[in-house]
Amino acid sequence: NAGVTQTPKFQVLKTGQSMTLQCAQDMNHNSMYWYRQDPGMGLRLIYYSASEGTTDKGEVPNGYNVSRLNKREFSLRLESAAPSQTSVYFCASGPYNSPLHFGNGTRLTVT
Amino acid sequence: SQQGEEDPQALSIQEGENATMNCSYKTSINNLQWYRQNSGRGLVHLILIRSNEREKHSGRLRVTLDTSKKSSSLLITASRAADTASYFCATDANDYKLSFGAGTTVTVRA
Repeated sequence: NAGVTQTPKFQVLKTGQSMTLQCAQDMNHNSMYWYRQDPGMGLRLIYYSASEGTTDKGEVPNGYNVSRLNKREFSLRLESAAPSQTSVYFCASGPYNSPLHFGNGTRLTVT
Repeated sequence: SQQGEEDPQALSIQEGENATMNCSYKTSINNLQWYRQNSGRGLVHLILIRSNEREKHSGRLRVTLDTSKKSSSLLITASRAADTASYFCATDANDYKLSFGAGTTVTVRA
């Protein structure tokens, strides 16, 4: 049972490049989330999808776009990467009002 | 802005000792959750306590919730080296947006 799978695990981008972070879950959860984690800041919500076909902004959505491709997959896109987007990105999924299941993260460096 | 704030930021204890960390939050919640994160890994759920509950246990973990003070505590008893990790509280205000604090880093010395 894979749980939440994120790809890639590591990525280095130059300023202005674009990339898509992929996330897939096999637990049939309705809700999926993208968080970023920076030192001393905990996790901050970027975007979430309460159910297939819906997406909403979280606390720090600027510079990001998301796609809920189907119930399993929720991708995060950086259209024009900036050094301020250097972070560790976590995808999570879960039923409403229940604990979240996290992937192991994507470590992104923007130079 | 983040809802929860953990205290202390860091904690170093001897194996076998208890570790206590606290979480304060600002607005009404539906439930409060505690997570653990080992270095380089994703977060793992430990305990969920609902707003109408005051205390919950899971193995060596004990969580309390005081909604009048908007605070929660996590106690780890008889700590082990494997408990070395960062611990996060997260608040659920019934709006899909689970909000995390900055975490407490716990080091258990052998």
